[in-house]
Amino acid sequence: ETGVTQTPRHLVMGMTNKKSLKCEQHLGHNAMYWYKQSAKKPLELMFVYSLEERVENNSVPSRFSPECPNSSHLFLHLHTLQPEDSALYLCASSQTANTEAFFGQGTRLTVV
Amino acid sequence: AQSVTQLGSHVSVSEGALVLLRCNYSSSVPPYLFWYVQYPNQGLQLLLKYTTGATLVKGINGFEAEFKKSETSFHLTKPSAHMSDAAEYFCAVSDLSGYSTLTFGKGTMLLVSP
Repeated sequence: ETGVTQTPRHLVMGMTNKKSLKCEQHLGHNAMYWYKQSAKKPLELMFVYSLEERVENNSVPSRFSPECPNSSHLFLHLHTLQPEDSALYLCASSQTANTEAFFGQGTRLTVV
Repeated sequence: AQSVTQLGSHVSVSEGALVLLRCNYSSSVPPYLFWYVQYPNQGLQLLLKYTTGATLVKGINGFEAEFKKSETSFHLTKPSAHMSDAAEYFCAVSDLSGYSTLTFGKGTMLLVSP
């Protein structure tokens, strides 16, 4: 069982659909993150949750809505996305400051 | 603000040759530095990290990196490339805040030929 699990691995959705990405960490970490990885662009930090409180939101459009119901689970709710939102969405977790982040395998999202 | 520059979006080596992937960073505070590897359609896996202490750090799969403060560099090396090393490599810097918000470089794709 991997430390950070993301589902689904692949998702195709229309621009009018609503879907959610799920992330679960089995490492007992206190912080969780959403990153976006697009072709030919650096990894972009989207959201950070520490002890279930959102501590950072890097100017992410409101069509992306995160939810952290507990320290082990993180969701990314998607609605009315655009084709340019197609990317690999990575979830990560870390214990505290000065520790590395552990990544899930990502969800490959295609918006049609 | 912190940033990471990785020189070369692609690096090609022959199997058995030295691997050198370059990373330079800027940070207003003493940095923590990381190298991650990403295989196709996979997440990122930590190769190694520098926090404090010894500036030469060893990681998994025979990789190592040296923190050089005067050069603001953290280059990744491996003495002898293997076909299985072909992947994308990301350098990252942490700002040591209350949570490890990593700033990543754009990545370097390592190609290994027989």
